[in-house]
Amino acid sequence: GENVEQHPSTLSVQEGDSAVIKCTYSDSASNYFPWYKQELGKRPQLIIDIRSNVGEKKDQRIAVTLNKTAKHFSLHITETQPEDSAVYFCAVKINSGGYQKVTFGTGTKLQVIP
Amino acid sequence: EPEVTQTPSHQVTQMGQEVILRCVPISNHLYFYWYRQILGQKVEFLVSFYNNEISEKSEIFDDQFSVERPDGSNFTLKIRSTKLEDSAMYFCASSTLETQYFGPGTRLLVL
Repeated sequence: GENVEQHPSTLSVQEGDSAVIKCTYSDSASNYFPWYKQELGKRPQLIIDIRSNVGEKKDQRIAVTLNKTAKHFSLHITETQPEDSAVYFCAVKINSGGYQKVTFGTGTKLQVIP
Repeated sequence: EPEVTQTPSHQVTQMGQEVILRCVPISNHLYFYWYRQILGQKVEFLVSFYNNEISEKSEIFDDQFSVERPDGSNFTLKIRSTKLEDSAMYFCASSTLETQYFGPGTRLLVL
């Protein structure tokens, strides 16, 4: 089955600095890569996603890069703010008609220090 | 904006009892999912459901678990005989093809 590794498990940055979280996966059939932000006691919220035919995607302060050959993708948050503090999960999905399986990474607890 | 809803928000049950967790997916979505998250751990896939049948399930989703879409709006997860280790947050999600939207979760505590 799919194996998703996520690093680091915790990350502390000063407000205004950048944060980078990395994930690797094993199944080359995976073709959709979302990132979720989860605040304490809340549901995972999609913050950005990328499809396998795209190498990079940006949305304001958040960007995701994908290297399909190496089977890794990264989340980049620039100009971090205290409200970015949360747990971030990467996920890997195979979209193939009725076949829908999602594997989550182990999560990164991001702390932005004011 | 439409949202996935779940009931109840909290459920306390005795070991060995049956529980049913309920979800109302977003109305035009075709794919439905259940996940669980043990406190402080990652989100774990349980099952996906499409076209009125299970399309994929994980090794966690054993014979104690079942899912059903009893009508056009509800999607349920049943745990037949709960164990202590079933204590977790259970999230329902729905999607068109790709983007999943999560419900607020049901916190299940098995005593």
